[in-house]
Amino acid sequence: AQSVTQLDSQVPVFEEAPVELRCNYSSSVSVYLFWYVQYPNQGLQLLLKYLSGSTLVKGINGFEAEFNKSQTSFHLRKPSVHISDTAEYFCAVSDQPGNTPLVFGKGTRLSVIA
Amino acid sequence: DAGVIQSPRHEVTEMGQEVTLRCKPISGHDYLFWYRQTMMRGLELLIYFNNNVPIDDSGMPEDRFSAKMPNASFSTLKIQPSEPRDSAVYFCASSRYPGTGDYEQYFGPGTRLTVT
Repeated sequence: AQSVTQLDSQVPVFEEAPVELRCNYSSSVSVYLFWYVQYPNQGLQLLLKYLSGSTLVKGINGFEAEFNKSQTSFHLRKPSVHISDTAEYFCAVSDQPGNTPLVFGKGTRLSVIA
Repeated sequence: DAGVIQSPRHEVTEMGQEVTLRCKPISGHDYLFWYRQTMMRGLELLIYFNNNVPIDDSGMPEDRFSAKMPNASFSTLKIQPSEPRDSAVYFCASSRYPGTGDYEQYFGPGTRLTVT
């Protein structure tokens, strides 16, 4: 069975500072990894995904993530955050991208402080 | 495209009442997923369909929950009778066959259900 652990439930960070949101996964098969963002009272929006190839994945809004198979991690990073990045971030795993359900972590609430 | 459409956006009902949540997937998508989001359990899958056929309903909490997809453009999630512990945000998502090169699940805005 697959599972995702997001180690931090809340991350406060000052505006223009860098941020890393941590994600570890467990899977016995090939993994496909995703980061979604949820703004208040909205649905989930895909930030980026890792399917294969380069382990460094770039997404929207200046975010990037690195797939590390040996550490079973897929941490999300941004070099300089903005107030508008305040949201809930979810890491998810799937064994077949697109046509099987996503297994989500509990989420990390990023609060950017002015 | 308008994206995944869910209705209603908010629903407040009394315990014991029937609740029906609706979802219109993106046109041309082959898969439809229902997820539930709660503070305690996070985001979890309830059921998903492929070409209108239920594939996995193991996440449906109990017999009070039922879901249908009568055609490619409409799905419902029904709770009868509703209980306060059903209070949550219910998301619908849709996706295409991976062979199209599109691996994303597209989420609707969700329905916030409150059962008093």
